[in-house]
Amino acid sequence: SAVISQKPSRDICQRGTSLTIQCQVDSQVTMMFWYRQQPGQSLTLIATANQGSEATYESGFVIDKFPISRPNLTFSTLTVSNMSPEDSSIYLCSVRQGGSDQPQHFGDGTRLSIL
Amino acid sequence: GEDVEQSLFLSVREGDSSVINCTYTDSSSTYLYWYKQEPGAGLQLLTYIFSNMDMKQDQRLTVLLNKKDKHLSLRIADTQTGDSAIYFCACIRGGATNKLIFGTGTLLAVQP
Repeated sequence: SAVISQKPSRDICQRGTSLTIQCQVDSQVTMMFWYRQQPGQSLTLIATANQGSEATYESGFVIDKFPISRPNLTFSTLTVSNMSPEDSSIYLCSVRQGGSDQPQHFGDGTRLSIL
Repeated sequence: GEDVEQSLFLSVREGDSSVINCTYTDSSSTYLYWYKQEPGAGLQLLTYIFSNMDMKQDQRLTVLLNKKDKHLSLRIADTQTGDSAIYFCACIRGGATNKLIFGTGTLLAVQP
């Protein structure tokens, strides 16, 4: 399966600032996704990163708060904007190679704490 | 919408078998997955099963699927301390959505 690298692995940020998380894959992938895992919770899909077009956001998530880029088939970024303590979570990138019969594989995540 | 439920906690002794259970509501789920999350790590895909199967075995792991009851289980044989982690089941529907819906996660604690 693809090797997925996320940067940074963790960060502590001040409220009101923004942080951009990078996801790099070692091979071209069909789909890239961004998830949030709040403390002690399960994973929630934020959006699907579409190559060359705007991301597709899930209910409850908006582009102004979580802008996403995907300039090519191996790279995507998620920005968490104007952060508040409620944004303290693990943010995970996942990828899928091939069609919908293929599984998603995850990066190690970015652990974000907002003070 | 889709609901995927798991028990929150399971404690077993080293060498015993562990059985982690999952129930889901959407009968159109095509693939069902088990992921493992160790402390401080991301999610590792353990195994998955297609909805037209009722069992899949992979070394120490056995997945059972009861479509009628919408029940999925993961059995870990000869559980080791390294198996201590949170286990998530997840379901996906076919078609354009391709959205992966995760369960609440089960914390498996293996006692030496």
